[in-house]
Amino acid sequence: TQLLEQSPQFLSIQEGENLTVYCNSSSVFSSLQWYRQEPGEGPVLLVTVVTGGEVKKLKRLTFQFGDARKDSSLHITAAQPGDTGLYLCAGERNNNNDMRFGAGTRLTVKP
Amino acid sequence: NAGVTQTPKFQVLKTGQSMTLQCAQDMNHEYMSWYRQDPGMGLRLIHYSVGAGITDQGEVPNGYNVSRSTTEDFPLRLLSAAPSQTSVYFCASSYSGGLVSEQYFGPGTRLTVT
Repeated sequence: TQLLEQSPQFLSIQEGENLTVYCNSSSVFSSLQWYRQEPGEGPVLLVTVVTGGEVKKLKRLTFQFGDARKDSSLHITAAQPGDTGLYLCAGERNNNNDMRFGAGTRLTVKP
Repeated sequence: NAGVTQTPKFQVLKTGQSMTLQCAQDMNHEYMSWYRQDPGMGLRLIHYSVGAGITDQGEVPNGYNVSRSTTEDFPLRLLSAAPSQTSVYFCASSYSGGLVSEQYFGPGTRLTVT
């Protein structure tokens, strides 16, 4: 059983559409990160959120950390083919290097 | 800076063989870690190190050994390979432990155990 559940597992949309992917848990995390991973490469960090209720924006990407620090969402506005990839969330529990990853959402944006 | 480098990129082992996956970073990061990535499972932490001479177990440490004799290098040893260890292995480093510090990942080693 994954400590962090990501949904949906797969998402295929047309260029220009908006989308939201979710990262949920029953555990509380001291911080949470979102990564994007391309095929054959390691994950690349997009954002870190540490405060409950925190919202961060990175161009067309909006990240939110839940008030209780148990969940997070990633919203992409006007998706582009370059957004295609595997989106992973990762959470740290108890500030003790106990880091757990979700299984990821595989996003495909069609031109 | 080369960042985080991993060798080899691909490896095929027979059951029972041993091998070492190499990881090096040139960013003077104190924290290094090893993950394995399996379909539908995400990345799972195997071992990590918060500095030279200090290592600790992650979520799935069984069947793997690590050591950290220098800041730069963090090799992962498979003592007796099993088919269940077929996976993609990623090494990562960061300035300090925890997720507040950005983790940089290597390109991965794809291991197949037959």
